[in-house]
Amino acid sequence: RKEVEQDPGPFNVPEGATVAFNCTYSNSASQSFFWYRQDCRKEPKLLMSVYSSGNEDGRFTAQLNRASQYISLLIRDSKLSDSATYLCVVNTGRRALTFGSGTRLQVQP
Amino acid sequence: GAVVSQHPSRVICKSGTSVKIECRSLDFQATTMFWYRQFPKKSLMLMATSNEGSKATYEQGVEKDKFLINHASLTLSTLTVTSAHPEDSSFYICSATPTDSTSTDTQYFGPGTRLTVL
Repeated sequence: RKEVEQDPGPFNVPEGATVAFNCTYSNSASQSFFWYRQDCRKEPKLLMSVYSSGNEDGRFTAQLNRASQYISLLIRDSKLSDSATYLCVVNTGRRALTFGSGTRLQVQP
Repeated sequence: GAVVSQHPSRVICKSGTSVKIECRSLDFQATTMFWYRQFPKKSLMLMATSNEGSKATYEQGVEKDKFLINHASLTLSTLTVTSAHPEDSSFYICSATPTDSTSTDTQYFGPGTRLTVL
């Protein structure tokens, strides 16, 4: 079983749509959780950290469910510029980050 | 903000040659740097953890004699792919954690190096 699992997509949505991504992780001792964004042929960039209480940053909302070992990302009012691969990332305490394989989002005009 | 650079950004080489990739933290010191590899449409996979002044820690399945890592200063780590073969073609990305950071959650990524071995 992969340490971090994501639906690879692609998710094709029209501009203005709301889209949600899910992610599960296998290590119950995982300590920190993130969503990164990666554009084609570029390095990953931190989008937001994820907390049990849930956190919101503009159109983006992240949620963590420790009991179910589940992380989600909600994007409201999708923009063309949101098209990218979204990586679910977990810090299991080993110092390095563990990446999911990513979910590809394509926002269409 | 903290900046990590990688050089070269892209390299094409012949099979059997060695390629050195540099990872530099430009405005902070990094005791620990990480090297990842990403194949097309796949996840970033950790190859090794590079520690300044000591030997790197390699992940299972990564050949330490093939992927030589040197972290001789607090701002520079190098990855040398020795006797490269076409299956080594990949996107290599480094990240660095500031020495004064209390958590490894804080990692700054380099822009990556795309290696193509003919």
